[in-house]
Amino acid sequence: GAVVSQHPSRVICKSGTSVKIECRSLDFQATTMFWYRQFPKQSLMLMATSNEGSKATYEQGVEKDKFLINHASLTLSTLTVTSAHPEDSSFYICSARDRPGIGEKLFFGSGTQLSVL
Amino acid sequence: EDKVVQSPLSLVVHEGDTVTLNCSYEVTNFRSLLWYKQEKKAPTFLFMLTSSGIEKKSGRLSSILDKKELFSILNITATQTGDSAVYLCALNYNFNKFYFGSGTKLNVKP
Repeated sequence: GAVVSQHPSRVICKSGTSVKIECRSLDFQATTMFWYRQFPKQSLMLMATSNEGSKATYEQGVEKDKFLINHASLTLSTLTVTSAHPEDSSFYICSARDRPGIGEKLFFGSGTQLSVL
Repeated sequence: EDKVVQSPLSLVVHEGDTVTLNCSYEVTNFRSLLWYKQEKKAPTFLFMLTSSGIEKKSGRLSSILDKKELFSILNITATQTGDSAVYLCALNYNFNKFYFGSGTKLNVKP
């Protein structure tokens, strides 16, 4: 199956700093990537959808200036949590799909556990 | 408003038991329904269902979709401790919209 690499797997930072999370599709071109947030014992909450070369589409209630998404190439999308606060502590996970017509499955990265002190 | 509802929320069984996990949904026009297994980190793909009444099978796991009654089930027979995980159901509403259920946490005891 397709492989999606997410880095880092865990990050601890001080309040007010920015954290960048990378999501790479290793063996396929991901025209669309999704960023999810997951709280303990809860399901995946879609934050935004990013398409290569265009602006991300954010879900209602997600601050686009807080969670910056860049999808500069067909294999890389980044999520930057700007001026992180303790309430931003969560498990962030990306997923990717390949070109239309080939598959509709989502392939997930291994996730990033963010802890803001 | 939850478009995908999974039940039970959690389940504890012993090795060798058979379990049935449920996923009900509200959306009637969708592309596919998917099942994932999430252990510690990334959800791993199990099944994609698009047609009603056709069972998909992989080893001890099987799944079926009922488009008339708007639900899907995931069966696991002869459960093992390695089956312990959260099982997620997702609905592919349109090409770029996936609605996830809250998951069923399965704990298989030795």
